[in-house]
Amino acid sequence: AQKVTQAQTEISVVEKEDVTLDCVYETRDTTYYLFWYKQPPSGELVFLIRRNSFDEQNEISGRYSWNFQKSTSSFNFTITASQVVDSAVYFCALVEWGGSEKLVFGKGTKLTVNP
Amino acid sequence: NAGVTQTPKFQVLKTGQSMTLQCAQDMNHEYMSWYRQDPGMGLRLIHYSVGAGITDQGEVPNGYNVSRSTTEDFPLRLLSAAPSQTSVYFCASRDSTFYNEQFFGPGTRLTVL
Repeated sequence: AQKVTQAQTEISVVEKEDVTLDCVYETRDTTYYLFWYKQPPSGELVFLIRRNSFDEQNEISGRYSWNFQKSTSSFNFTITASQVVDSAVYFCALVEWGGSEKLVFGKGTKLTVNP
Repeated sequence: NAGVTQTPKFQVLKTGQSMTLQCAQDMNHEYMSWYRQDPGMGLRLIHYSVGAGITDQGEVPNGYNVSRSTTEDFPLRLLSAAPSQTSVYFCASRDSTFYNEQFFGPGTRLTVL
């Protein structure tokens, strides 16, 4: 069965620091998708990125970057030069090709960026 | 487009009461899901639907019923509310391309006393 582990429950940084949020996953499937979602204090869930298991290229979007490593089953998320607006809970999630709609979320990492 | 809408935003129930959480989407998405979010637990899938008339159970289906009579609507029913169902409920939808991202509604905060 698939599983997503976000070992960091809470992280606190000072503005402009870089921060990496870890995500480790388990799956028996060779085809799967990984996601990151952001949940700001207002409560809505915001999609950040999708990555399939055949695409190991790292991705950068502004201050956000993602490092996907199949060898270590990790899909880590780095925020460069963090800002107060980055304060949120971040969720990593996994769905298997053979798992129909069963998107499995990690427990989330709460990031606090202090001014 | 309104996207995914949920009503109500907040609800307080007494143990044993029943209610329906409403979810609607106007994006013509085939796939819809219900999740619950509890502190420190992330989001867990309750039920999902791959199209009108087709539903299936997720990770935590007990105590909840769903039906999907139209593409747009996917209500979640609590037949006899229990304090353990106190949670924030999110509805989500996506199109049929596997596996595009899900669009989430704003959530319903439910308290069962």
